[in-house]
Amino acid sequence: GESVGLHLPTLSVQEGDNSIINCAYSNSASDYFIWYKQESGKGPQFIIDIRSNMDKRQGQRVTVLLNKTVKHLSLQIAATQPGDSAVYFCAENRGNQGGKLIFGQGTELSVKP
Amino acid sequence: GAGVSQSPSNKVTEKGKDVELRCDPISGHTALYWYRQSLGQGLEFLIYFQGNSAPDKSGLPSDRFSAERTGGSVSTLTIQRTQQEDSAVYLCASSSLAGGINEQYFGPGTRLTVT
Repeated sequence: GESVGLHLPTLSVQEGDNSIINCAYSNSASDYFIWYKQESGKGPQFIIDIRSNMDKRQGQRVTVLLNKTVKHLSLQIAATQPGDSAVYFCAENRGNQGGKLIFGQGTELSVKP
Repeated sequence: GAGVSQSPSNKVTEKGKDVELRCDPISGHTALYWYRQSLGQGLEFLIYFQGNSAPDKSGLPSDRFSAERTGGSVSTLTIQRTQQEDSAVYLCASSSLAGGINEQYFGPGTRLTVT
């Protein structure tokens, strides 16, 4: 069935390095994408979003890239810090399905000091 | 400002009992969502309320699950005759949908354990 999925379940990086977390989606009708960060025992926390009419959006230390041709989404974290260690989820909003978000399985980011 | 709150934070119940989970959304947010997260998994959509519209119940896994939202604010998720496979973290989120942006703010979740 249709799903939002992630290429890698775990990612380990050195503190100070850049991190790239990838996500693939299958529904071309999706019009809005969000990245969430979830720390252990907490609810997901919004990081950054992007509409389907954009291909790049930047926030503080984070950048989201959207490639609609290959249905690929990525989250780039610059100068990764130990506090960035968490599970990262991408989620898509399919415009014809109201407000519900479809989540991927998540990538666990581990930052080594 | 206050975020989304949920209660209880943890609930242990015996198989076959009913449980009620509560969600207090951010004040003024018209949309409210319930998701379920099993251990090490992503979030699974359950139900979505938007204003006075009929809720989208398409994610409810069985008729043992129901939810209501009173007065457009607080919501309760009820699970009847709980089963062990219902054990999970139940997350609530709310959104203002301002400008057509669906930025959902999540609560800390209720961890349900069915023994």
